[in-house]
Amino acid sequence: DTAVSQTPKYLVTQMGNDKSIKCEQNLGHDTMYWYKQDSKKFLKIMFSYNNKELIINETVPNRFSPKSPDKAHLNLHINSLELGDSAVYFCASSQEGRRETQYFGPGTRLLVL
Amino acid sequence: TQLLEQSPQFLSIQEGENLTVYCNSSSVFSSLQWYRQEPGEGPVLLVTVVTGGEVKKLKRLTFQFGDARKDSSLHITAAQPGDTGLYLCAGAKGTYKYIFGTGTRLKVLA
Repeated sequence: DTAVSQTPKYLVTQMGNDKSIKCEQNLGHDTMYWYKQDSKKFLKIMFSYNNKELIINETVPNRFSPKSPDKAHLNLHINSLELGDSAVYFCASSQEGRRETQYFGPGTRLLVL
Repeated sequence: TQLLEQSPQFLSIQEGENLTVYCNSSSVFSSLQWYRQEPGEGPVLLVTVVTGGEVKKLKRLTFQFGDARKDSSLHITAAQPGDTGLYLCAGAKGTYKYIFGTGTRLKVLA
């Protein structure tokens, strides 16, 4: 019954590694998002995808590459991880006609050592 | 650049007290949302306000959108421990971009 799911929930890795976070929504929504929440709980949008197409890229380093294989999935691949990438990453989705109603996943807690 | 400032940043009150959280900006937003986030979880939408001056009520929570659509407030009457959490406002800039506020951490003591 989970509307927006993310895997993994926790990710601990070494600096310089490459990692991926997966997101899936079963709500039939046409738009998905990635957000980054820092240690001060500030939530900042990274990417918006509508119908598998990139709409918003908020000056995110190109080490971050989102991929949307279909409307229900939006994955985030991160190359050459840096200490500053440590944060909680949230996936969200919304639907045409009620765009402002976003449903968030449970988050992926990334710790780069 | 922080576009949405929330105040207060932290708030600890006794059960039964009233409180107001403010969300202020110099920018105009097409709509504004309020979310509550609990530890270890994602934000959950409480309400969306669209029209300047709009007031919405959700049980003991009252939300208001400023006339100029630049600011908003959340008032909680007779707070309960279950209201504890991180409250976030978010403003819509266009169709696909949302700017989140700096957050207000509320703790209601029994």
